[in-house]
Amino acid sequence: KNQVEQSPQSLIILEGKNCTLQCNYTVSPFSNLRWYKQDTGRGPVSLTIMTFSENTKSNGRYTATLDADTKQSSLHITASQLSDSASYICVVSGGGYQKVTFGTGTKLQVIP
Amino acid sequence: NAGVTQTPKFQVLKTGQSMTLQCAQDMNHEYMSWYRQDPGMGLRLIHYSVGAGITDQGEVPNGYNVSRSTTEDFPLRLLSAAPSQTSVYFCASSYSRESLRSTDTQYFGPGTRLTVL
Repeated sequence: KNQVEQSPQSLIILEGKNCTLQCNYTVSPFSNLRWYKQDTGRGPVSLTIMTFSENTKSNGRYTATLDADTKQSSLHITASQLSDSASYICVVSGGGYQKVTFGTGTKLQVIP
Repeated sequence: NAGVTQTPKFQVLKTGQSMTLQCAQDMNHEYMSWYRQDPGMGLRLIHYSVGAGITDQGEVPNGYNVSRSTTEDFPLRLLSAAPSQTSVYFCASSYSRESLRSTDTQYFGPGTRLTVL
């Protein structure tokens, strides 16, 4: 069964600090892995998209890594800001035609 | 560009009622899809479309119908609402019909919060 597990479920950090969110998946065959940011009451917004051959991809203060051998990804947020408070969702495409599996997300709260 | 728009934002239905959730995009995207988001669960794919006149079922299609008569619009119909359909519904679109396998950015609408009593 295709699964995407994220950890931690929730996280509180001080403004200006860094943090790393984890994503483990069992989806096979693998097409790509995406990270989304979802503000409360809004739709998800794409942060990064990574294919099998990519190890690292950055989008401003967000850096995603992918280890396709261990089926793990991480999202690193540098110098956090209050506006980073949101849920971060890991999504893996694959495991069949037009198949996509969403993680349950990590809820990040950045406090002053 | 307005991006992906959804109406209504909120809706309350009684069990057995029917309704249509509207979704439109102005980016000329081929791929459109509907998801539901429930507490403690990841988004789940209900139905998707790879172009006008072409639709297919996702992971949780039961109780929902879709059609795609134009590139821009992809309405989701609840035939006979049930309390289990209480959820937040998101419409999404992306450029190509192979977007899930490609690196196309997927754009989500703002969502419709549906409560079925």
